[in-house]
Amino acid sequence: DAGVTQSPTHLIKTRGQHVTLRCSPISGHKSVSWYQQVLGQGPQFIFQYYEKEERGRGNFPDRFSARQFPNYSSELNVNALLLGDSALYLCASSLTDSEQYFGPGTRLTVT
Amino acid sequence: KQEVTQIPAALSVPEGENLVLNCSFTDSAIYNLQWFRQDPGKGLTSLLLIQSSQREQTSGRLNASLDKSSGRSTLYIAASQPGDSATYLCAVPSSNTGKLIFGQGTTLQVKP
Repeated sequence: DAGVTQSPTHLIKTRGQHVTLRCSPISGHKSVSWYQQVLGQGPQFIFQYYEKEERGRGNFPDRFSARQFPNYSSELNVNALLLGDSALYLCASSLTDSEQYFGPGTRLTVT
Repeated sequence: KQEVTQIPAALSVPEGENLVLNCSFTDSAIYNLQWFRQDPGKGLTSLLLIQSSQREQTSGRLNASLDKSSGRSTLYIAASQPGDSATYLCAVPSSNTGKLIFGQGTTLQVKP
């Protein structure tokens, strides 16, 4: 079975632009979570979606938004990019509140 | 508020040595704890999940223990190999959601 997939792998954007990151969960998993990891730190929780409903939101500004589609895939959107948004963005899927499985991440660089 | 701490931040050992990585958490009301491995610039690979009712879990050369009362978990790696070089992260779910709270990780280097 395929694991969690994310696209794109790498992305370079300019300050002020908008970005959309995509995630496909493991087949059968209905929960998707997004995390931001800056260099040298542990991942920080951004959002969790379960059955297309937002179930949790971390301490991130409103420039960050997400949604989950009927097939349980998810998008993370970031508007008005700042240099500080440069990070590895990780997506994780799980059945419910059980073990979480992470994708390879999207490396976002904002210049 | 749950906080997770991992000490040391970095560790370098010679090949073949047994080693222990530490993880501590401030709120003992957890229902599981998960250990991950992360290679540079890559995603997280789940190593072991310990349920709150368990005291330890084993997978190959890895053994993770959990002591909820003291707010501690350890990851024991036996007979370390250069391929074990990576960053190891522990994480606990927040009390009422599936949100994971991570430590900052321990970066392990195993020298041949």
